[in-house]
Amino acid sequence: DVKVTQSSRYLVKRTGEKVFLECVQDMDHENMFWYRQDPGLGLRLIYFSYDVKMKEKGDIPEGYSVSREKKERFSLILESASTNQTSMYLCASSGTIAGAYNEQFFGPGTRLTVL
Amino acid sequence: RKEVEQDPGPFNVPEGATVAFNCTYSNSASQSFFWYRQDCRKEPKLLMSVYSSGNEDGRFTAQLNRASQYISLLIRDSKLSDSATYLCGNAGNMLTFGGGTRLMVKP
Repeated sequence: DVKVTQSSRYLVKRTGEKVFLECVQDMDHENMFWYRQDPGLGLRLIYFSYDVKMKEKGDIPEGYSVSREKKERFSLILESASTNQTSMYLCASSGTIAGAYNEQFFGPGTRLTVL
Repeated sequence: RKEVEQDPGPFNVPEGATVAFNCTYSNSASQSFFWYRQDCRKEPKLLMSVYSSGNEDGRFTAQLNRASQYISLLIRDSKLSDSATYLCGNAGNMLTFGGGTRLMVKP
């Protein structure tokens, strides 16, 4: 059974703290993604990675950075957390077929609250 | 125009009803499409992939209309447990999601 895991289900941080969210997949997928999901705004792509040490900005990268040192692990970093980064963060991974992204498998999500 | 658009709903239907929702997409080069189901406060889970004209799995049928650039999801004999948000996604050089359609099945 495919599996994407995220380091925390719930996280509470203070404004200005550095926050690390980790994601691990066991499917040997090339591609990994970080999204945030807010009511009424749907899934918004923050960053994605198509290979180790490679990263690409998504739609809303401001205030975030990522790291992919190993194929199975993709980290999202909030350098200085702010209250508007309170959200549900979802990690996903996918393979590639014929140059197109295949279906994505999601982790359980991390509900981050920044006070 | 958003790349993938869905009616947010909610669609309120009685148990046993047939319900359908559409998802329109703007990227005519998209090759594959997906329907996901998302329960409240949970992650999206893949319901169905659509690579050609359509796909069927039990009570669920997905249809792809390339000429009009939309995919549909039909649910027959709705169950209370079908209540969820349904997200569509299309894949080209990026997988893009719609905002989701909320379905509520009532007794």
